This record gives sequence, structure tokens and C-alpha cells, in this order.
Amino acid sequence: NAGVTQTPKFRILKIGQSMTLQCTQDMNHNYMYWYRQDPGMGLKLIYYSVGAGITDKGEVPNGYNVSRSTTEDFPLRLELAAPSQTSVYFCASSYSKQKFIGYFGAGTRLSVL
Amino acid sequence: AQTVTQSQPEMSVQEAETVTLSCTYDTSESDYYLFWYKQPPSRQMILVIRQEAYKQQNATENRFSVNFQKAAKSFSLKISDSQLGDAAMYFCATMNRDDKIIFGKGTRLHILP
Repeated sequence: NAGVTQTPKFRILKIGQSMTLQCTQDMNHNYMYWYRQDPGMGLKLIYYSVGAGITDKGEVPNGYNVSRSTTEDFPLRLELAAPSQTSVYFCASSYSKQKFIGYFGAGTRLSVL
Repeated sequence: AQTVTQSQPEMSVQEAETVTLSCTYDTSESDYYLFWYKQPPSRQMILVIRQEAYKQQNATENRFSVNFQKAAKSFSLKISDSQLGDAAMYFCATMNRDDKIIFGKGTRLHILP
């Protein structure tokens, strides 16, 4: 099993550009999460999903969008990139809350210049 | 709203000694989960230990154990026989019934040889 796979690993965007951060898991997990981690800080929840077709906002959703059309994939969309979105982005998944193990992807380092 | 506070930005411990990392949280829920995660320099997030709030018995995982004080909303992590590989950022996190996982800002742990 590959676990949680995030692509790309690194990306530089210009202000106003758009991009999609990809996240896929092959463990048939229902729960998936997107976090951002700013330097020296903890993780902030952006969006999460408890199953295909169901998404909800986390602590810092502004400037982002998500979709969950399949159990495996949970892409994060940045529509108009801003310097404040420079961060490391982590995707995570778990089978259920009661069995939360918290598999994390390796992260995507994004710089907006 | 859920909040998680880690009051120790950095700590150091001598190799083979014991160290305790502090975490306090705030929640209005009676049913929730608590976690400690480790983030080594590779940035990968690794689940260290998990505690269900309805369980009075403190969770243990090999050299890692917690001191869960529900009334005080305290969830400290004890690392026994510290090893050089334990050096990392450690994050405390909570999850309520709304399935959102909220992280603290982290404690950087240094292991002194």
C-alpha cells in the first residue's frame, strides 16, 4: 500500500495563479483532511471530509475549495493564490473516528511570490 | 470552540532520561479523542499515542505514556528512556464529535547525548 500520496512535493506560484494540490489514499479510508502548517506553528485544519460527497470547513477555509467525488481522492484547490497561502500543506486520512490512526502524506511545500 | 495549548515551545532532556510534555485543551464535549503526534525533520506526521476521553485508564505505547486528567483538561505525554530518535516536534491534538482534529502549536524536543 502506498498510504497517503500528495502531489506535487514543491510548487512556486505567482500571486493570482490557481492550482490544485492532489491527495489520494489507497486504504479505503472514509475520513480525509487538509491542513496547513506555517513555519514554527502547529497544523491548522482547512477542510475535511467524512466520506465521498461530503465536505466541511475547518478552521481556515478562506481561499480554498475541496471536492470529494471518490473515496480515494480529496483535492485542494487554490483559486487566486496570495502570499498568505505560502505554507506546507498536509493531507491526512483515517478509517473512522473510533479507529483514528491518522495517516499523513509527506506534505506539499507551496510558495506564493 | 476546541482549543489546544502547549505551553512549552522547546524542551531538552538527557538521553536515557524521562521527559514530560504538557498539553491542555478546552472543549464543551463529553465525548472526544486526544492524540500526540511526532514530526521529525522529515516533516512526516507520526501518531505516537491516542486516548479516548471516556476511558479512565491512561494510554501507553512502549516508552510513551500519557497522564490524562479529564477534569483539569490536561493530557501530558511522558517519554521514558529518551533516545536520540525521539528528537522532533511533538503536537497535541483533539477530536470532537464534529470530526475536526485541532492541533496545538507544538513542543520541540531536543535529546542531549
